[in-house]
Amino acid sequence: EPEVTQTPSHQVTQMGQEVILRCVPISNHLYFYWYRQILGQKVEFLVSFYNNEISEKSEIFDDQFSVERPDGSNFTLKIRSTKLEDSAMYFCASEKRTGVYEQYFGPGTRLTVT
Amino acid sequence: GDSVTQMEGPVTLSEEAFLTINCTYTATGYPSLFWYVQYPGEGLQLLLKATKADDKGSNKGFEATYRKETTSFHLEKGSVQVSDSAVYFCALRAEGGSTLGRLYFGRGTQLTVWP
Repeated sequence: EPEVTQTPSHQVTQMGQEVILRCVPISNHLYFYWYRQILGQKVEFLVSFYNNEISEKSEIFDDQFSVERPDGSNFTLKIRSTKLEDSAMYFCASEKRTGVYEQYFGPGTRLTVT
Repeated sequence: GDSVTQMEGPVTLSEEAFLTINCTYTATGYPSLFWYVQYPGEGLQLLLKATKADDKGSNKGFEATYRKETTSFHLEKGSVQVSDSAVYFCALRAEGGSTLGRLYFGRGTQLTVWP
């Protein structure tokens, strides 16, 4: 069964560094999402992406964040200058959205900012 | 705004016990409601869903009924197994508008089932 994959599974970085989290969505899906979960808190929506542009973003998704689909298969989340409070589990999801509305999630990348 | 409140965990049960995990929501209009499950080391998987009031979602012995009058979507299973040990997330998807895709999640409830 096709699945969403994410790399790396765990990323440790120093405050102020740039990180890129990578996701490979399911191949015939058209809608892509990033969510995050800070330890002990809710899973929060960051951004949705369709047709090579952002369709919606939350208040969390400020100028430090960007998303890209560079090559038609990968979907990346970049954090330009990481802060301690960016430490979280980041989940990618993809969706076909033809008839069935169901988001398929990857296993997540745990980002630790020191 | 839209939100989900989910029963705090962890929940620890013996095999074959009855499970209830409470979930209530706040939303305008008629959202769709979901339960996701996350097994160790894996992503969130859709367990069941309901798209309108009084709908019952069911899968793998789990059930949840969309109750608009109580704004609830409680997850139940009559007899849990060790293999049900996981984190369970309640979520809603707003009706229409620009937030059509965004999911709002609860905090998750860790379930551990002992043999």
